[in-house]
Amino acid sequence: KQEVTQIPAALSVPEGENLVLNCSFTDSAIYNLQWFRQDPGKGLTSLLLIQSSQREQTSGRLNASLDKSSGRSTLYIAASQPGDSATYLCAVPQGGKLIFGQGTELSVKP
Amino acid sequence: EPEVTQTPSHQVTQMGQEVILRCVPISNHLYFYWYRQILGQKVEFLVSFYNNEISEKSEIFDDQFSVERPDGSNFTLKIRSTKLEDSAMYFCASSESPGDYTGELFFGEGSRLTVL
Repeated sequence: KQEVTQIPAALSVPEGENLVLNCSFTDSAIYNLQWFRQDPGKGLTSLLLIQSSQREQTSGRLNASLDKSSGRSTLYIAASQPGDSATYLCAVPQGGKLIFGQGTELSVKP
Repeated sequence: EPEVTQTPSHQVTQMGQEVILRCVPISNHLYFYWYRQILGQKVEFLVSFYNNEISEKSEIFDDQFSVERPDGSNFTLKIRSTKLEDSAMYFCASSESPGDYTGELFFGEGSRLTVL
């Protein structure tokens, strides 16, 4: 059974800092991994989708990496801004459904 | 940019009442999903739908739940007799290809259901 864990559960950083969010999964037989952003009381915004054949995917200040063999993915946010404050979720597919981590709540202080 | 839209954004209902949550997936997508998130908990899968039938459902999706694509654009989730524990944010999602292979899922803003 696939389990997805995100560490840390919460993170507070000053504006401008580079940061890394971690996601680990127990079953490495995945086709892809998706990172989402969730603002309080809002929906899930897809940030990046990494296919299993890729090791990295970049979008603006965001860079996601995937290491299937170790069951890990990281989301790197460069030059963080207060507008980046949100909960970041990772999810992996299993049998036609996504299995989500519990998220990392990020707060970027001005 | 195409998006998944959900209505209502918030619904309050009495226990035992029927609720229908509506979704308009992205127009060229073929795979549709419902997920839910109880406050403070993980997002969890309810059901997937393809070619006018359920592809997969979780153990949460019992007989009180049903899904339907009544026309070419809407995708609905019906809860027949709501319980207090059904209170959650319900998310609709769609994808162009199967989510477990290459498909990227796009989620709506959610419908918050409060059962009193």
